[in-house]
Amino acid sequence: SQQGEEDPQALSIQEGENATMNCSYKTSINNLQWYRQNSGRGLVHLILIRSNEREKHSGRLRVTLDTSKKSSSLLITASRAADTASYFCATDYGNNRLAFGKGNQVVVIP
Amino acid sequence: DAGVIQSPRHEVTEMGQEVTLRCKPISGHNSLFWYRQTMMRGLELLIYFNNNVPIDDSGMPEDRFSAKMPNASFSTLKIQPSEPRDSAVYFCATIKDYSYNEQFFGPGTRLTVL
Repeated sequence: SQQGEEDPQALSIQEGENATMNCSYKTSINNLQWYRQNSGRGLVHLILIRSNEREKHSGRLRVTLDTSKKSSSLLITASRAADTASYFCATDYGNNRLAFGKGNQVVVIP
Repeated sequence: DAGVIQSPRHEVTEMGQEVTLRCKPISGHNSLFWYRQTMMRGLELLIYFNNNVPIDDSGMPEDRFSAKMPNASFSTLKIQPSEPRDSAVYFCATIKDYSYNEQFFGPGTRLTVL
């Protein structure tokens, strides 16, 4: 199965700064999704971008998708302490089955 | 809505014992997924049900693992016999139907096998 793969580095930023995370994948996808996981909790869906879309916005989130490079990025603008979490990209490879990356730990310092 | 409910939240057991994890999906959601999360392997899809029927169980690691969905409001994941390497957090997630791709995750069950 495919595997979404984030850049495997933790990110530590000051409140108010922007946070950018990248994700790459290997084969064709129906859509790509980003999820957030707070420590000890389940994952929460943030945003979905379909394979025929290039950019999507939701509040302070901006996601891009480059199918030619098989990559996506998630931008969180004006970060807040509450944005501290792990962020996962997930590729839908058919029938709503998702392949998740290993996650990116983001720490927002107040 | 209460969201996806999983029980127990924590389970500690000894190697060789049977473990049963439970999931109650959101009412009206007709697809259910079981995942396992570990530091080493990340989040892995174990099995996927649609309308109570197992569609894809290729992620189930061994015959020691089995899952059932006897009705639309209940699913179980059973490990028999359990081994220390089964220690992980197990998540259940559901979606409304094929056209709604957002998955709703439960809080997870943290399993420790000694």
